[in-house]
Amino acid sequence: NAGVTQTPKFRILKIGQSMTLQCTQDMNHNYMYWYRQDPGMGLKLIYYSVGAGITDKGEVPNGYNVSRSTTEDFPLRLELAAPSQTSVYFCASSYRGSNTEAFFGQGTRLTVV
Amino acid sequence: QQQVKQSPQSLIVQKGGISIINCAYENTAFDYFPWYQQFPGKGPALLIAIRPDVSEKKEGRFTISFNKSAKQFSLHIMDSQPGDSATYFCAFPNYGGSQGNLIFGKGTKLSVKP
Repeated sequence: NAGVTQTPKFRILKIGQSMTLQCTQDMNHNYMYWYRQDPGMGLKLIYYSVGAGITDKGEVPNGYNVSRSTTEDFPLRLELAAPSQTSVYFCASSYRGSNTEAFFGQGTRLTVV
Repeated sequence: QQQVKQSPQSLIVQKGGISIINCAYENTAFDYFPWYQQFPGKGPALLIAIRPDVSEKKEGRFTISFNKSAKQFSLHIMDSQPGDSATYFCAFPNYGGSQGNLIFGKGTKLSVKP
């Protein structure tokens, strides 16, 4: 059982480039999330999804886009990368929302130069 | 949006000592309060969680205690070990604008010295 798998683990982008962070889960969870983690700031929600075809903005959605065409996959798209998007990104999933355990991936460390 | 205030930001404890991390919350309505543990280079993982029908929950060396009047949760790590060195996050379900997600505290970096 792989849980939540994120790719890539590391990436360096130049300002203005775009990329997609991949996230897939094999637990048949309806809820999926993207968080970013900056030093000393905890985890901030970028986007979330409560099921295939349904997505919504979190606390810090600007500069990002998501899609959820299947239960398993929840990719995060960065358009026109900026230095402020340098961060560690975590994808997570849960069975029934915020009052159940969230399972996190290993993270993607992104640097924008 | 619900705010969660976690303290201290960092903590150094000798092996065998007690580590105490606190989280204060604003909203009185909740049904789940988890703590997550994160090792360097890894994603957070659920450590222990409590629901409001109990004031304390213990799992091994880890205990959550709940002070309803102070609106505060505490994580106690008894007999702290170097392997407990990690960052700990309290979290709170967001029943406000963004439904279905957790709001995390800013984290406490724990270092247990041998």
